Amino acid sequence: QKEVEQDPGPLSVPEGAIVSLNCTYSNSAFQYFMWYRQYSRKGPELLMYTYSSGNKEDGRFTAQVDKSSKYISLFIRDSQPSDSATYLCAMSGEDSNYQLIWGAGTKLIIKP
Amino acid sequence: NAGVTQTPKFRILKIGQSMTLQCTQDMNHNYMYWYRQDPGMGLKLIYYSVGAGITDKGEVPNGYNVSRSTTEDFPLRLELAAPSQTSVYFCASSPGGETQYFGPGTRLLVL
Repeated sequence: QKEVEQDPGPLSVPEGAIVSLNCTYSNSAFQYFMWYRQYSRKGPELLMYTYSSGNKEDGRFTAQVDKSSKYISLFIRDSQPSDSATYLCAMSGEDSNYQLIWGAGTKLIIKP
Repeated sequence: NAGVTQTPKFRILKIGQSMTLQCTQDMNHNYMYWYRQDPGMGLKLIYYSVGAGITDKGEVPNGYNVSRSTTEDFPLRLELAAPSQTSVYFCASSPGGETQYFGPGTRLLVL
């Protein structure tokens, strides 16, 4: 079993839809949870960062962490074609030397 | 401020050849990382460094070597290239904390 599971997709939705992207994990020591966005032939860039459980909102993006279920989500409201990218979840625990454990990434396609 | 730069962008190697992937950051970050990304497999950590002169193995270090003589540079050396090393290689840096800044990547094909 992988430490972090993420459906690779692709996930195709029409413009304006609400998108839900998810990751599950097995290590209960994880405390830091991140979502990175990667455009084609580019390096990943940090999109959202959450410590421990709870929600965090930034514009059209909301990150949720449910540590009891070992489940994290990224919601995108009013999705735009420019949101088309691969979304990778990443996480780490305390004393990890900032080493991240990565999901495989979900490819998202927003159709105009 | 260029961030993290990587060279070359693309390279074809023959089996058994060697090469060095270059990585430079101008943000004065202490932490630097090398990843490989294979289709559908996410990012795998090869080596990382917490400061000049200090390096450590990640999840998949076999077939690679690194050095960190300066804060800015973190080259990755491939010795005796094998087809299994065909991948996209990303270098990243961090000031400490969970935010990592990535370079544009190097695409390597080993034939």
